[in-house]
Amino acid sequence: QAGLTQPPSVSKGLRQTATLTCTGNSNNVGNQGAAWLQQHQGHPPKLLSYRNDNRPSGISERFSASRSGNTASLTITELQPEDEADYYCSAWDSSLSAWVFGGGTKLTVL
Amino acid sequence: QVQVVESGGGVVQPGRSLRLSCAASGFTFSSYVMHWVRQAPGKGLEWVAVISPGGSSQFYAGSVKGRFTISRDNSKNTVDLQMNSLRGEDTAVYYCARESSGEGAFDIWGQGTMVTVSS
Repeated sequence: QAGLTQPPSVSKGLRQTATLTCTGNSNNVGNQGAAWLQQHQGHPPKLLSYRNDNRPSGISERFSASRSGNTASLTITELQPEDEADYYCSAWDSSLSAWVFGGGTKLTVL
Repeated sequence: QVQVVESGGGVVQPGRSLRLSCAASGFTFSSYVMHWVRQAPGKGLEWVAVISPGGSSQFYAGSVKGRFTISRDNSKNTVDLQMNSLRGEDTAVYYCARESSGEGAFDIWGQGTMVTVSS
């Protein structure tokens, strides 16, 4: 089952800005957008952004999501050590009648 | 407190069956779409199955279609995953997740339950 494409890893320095990408097609990301999740090692995922790019209550303004065509992006500003985690995007695929995830991006904060 | 708690994981031989359960609390369970998502050791997230609020509609990932069945009991606030003909590649942490209403995202996750398929 086809998934969304994310870069396996991104490394940025403390207090820098990281932009993570998630590429799909017109049946998923391009159609309804993508949501973003954060997962720390040994913990369940945590929702960072809804597919309309809004943040759930309690999520820092340092996290912002956007979309252009078939690619969704998550921008994290003022990187902190606790931002080091795996990040996943997800979307409903109307052609597959299935939810799809990206393979995840491991963010390292140097 | 809004939460979901999974149970039922364990070690099972290939070809055998296992039933997972997810107990929800703190929200109007019958109003929400519910999912199962799994994560193999050291791997990414894989969506498994979804069920509509009333239970009349279900969808499955191709990798489990015909082997897994998702169901729910709104009187007990539970959603189950019946897993038959288990394979080694089904070994994973299985998460129960709530889908936020109209927002297209998994907003509440449980801690997960581990399923190991091994002889």
